[in-house]
Amino acid sequence: QQPVQSPQAVILREGEDAVINCSSSKALYSVHWYRQKHGEAPVFLMILLKGGEQKGHEKISASFNEKKQQSSLYLTASQLSYSGTYFCGTEIGGQNFVFGPGTRLSVLP
Amino acid sequence: KAGVTQTPRYLIKTRGQQVTLSCSPISGHRSVSWYQQTPGQGLQFLFEYFSETQRNKGNFPGRFSGRQFSNSRSEMNVSTLELGDSALYLCASSLVAGANVLTFGAGSRLTVL
Repeated sequence: QQPVQSPQAVILREGEDAVINCSSSKALYSVHWYRQKHGEAPVFLMILLKGGEQKGHEKISASFNEKKQQSSLYLTASQLSYSGTYFCGTEIGGQNFVFGPGTRLSVLP
Repeated sequence: KAGVTQTPRYLIKTRGQQVTLSCSPISGHRSVSWYQQTPGQGLQFLFEYFSETQRNKGNFPGRFSGRQFSNSRSEMNVSTLELGDSALYLCASSLVAGANVLTFGAGSRLTVL
């Protein structure tokens, strides 16, 4: 059962902030975030493990709340290069690693 | 350090045919996973191989199969192709099995006519 992502799509102006959420009905052991630019392969951004930690990558950070079974990706002062589709990935029940449906982010000048 | 290499990059087949896709992981990576990507379904997990053994399998029919060789290279095969099999097939490698950092290849785009 794949995780749920929201919103499905978001349009920003350069410099604006955005939040992408990822949640699951099943217990999460870890959450991974990937970004896929148009016509390219997905690229790893970060992993979050149990413990509610927050991680960062450039001006992109994320949090993981295992009690709520959700993770949020924060994009601060967005740049044109942030455009793409963001996927969260989780390991379901210690078995398959599955991705959410993706959130399409468009950053306009 | 070479990345994940997938061949062929593009291919066109007709219904009923079969296809074999190849994936060479990053040197030293022993786990290879396969995903099907379509506009409507996102990234769907097909299977994961580690040390020549299928570790996990997604919810796909038996027409989809794969294998991994002793050098960690992997192939996936789709038999009796259907129109709905048209998709981008992505291979990803990681150092070990399980939920680890995945490095994706550029994909093989399959079109079934």
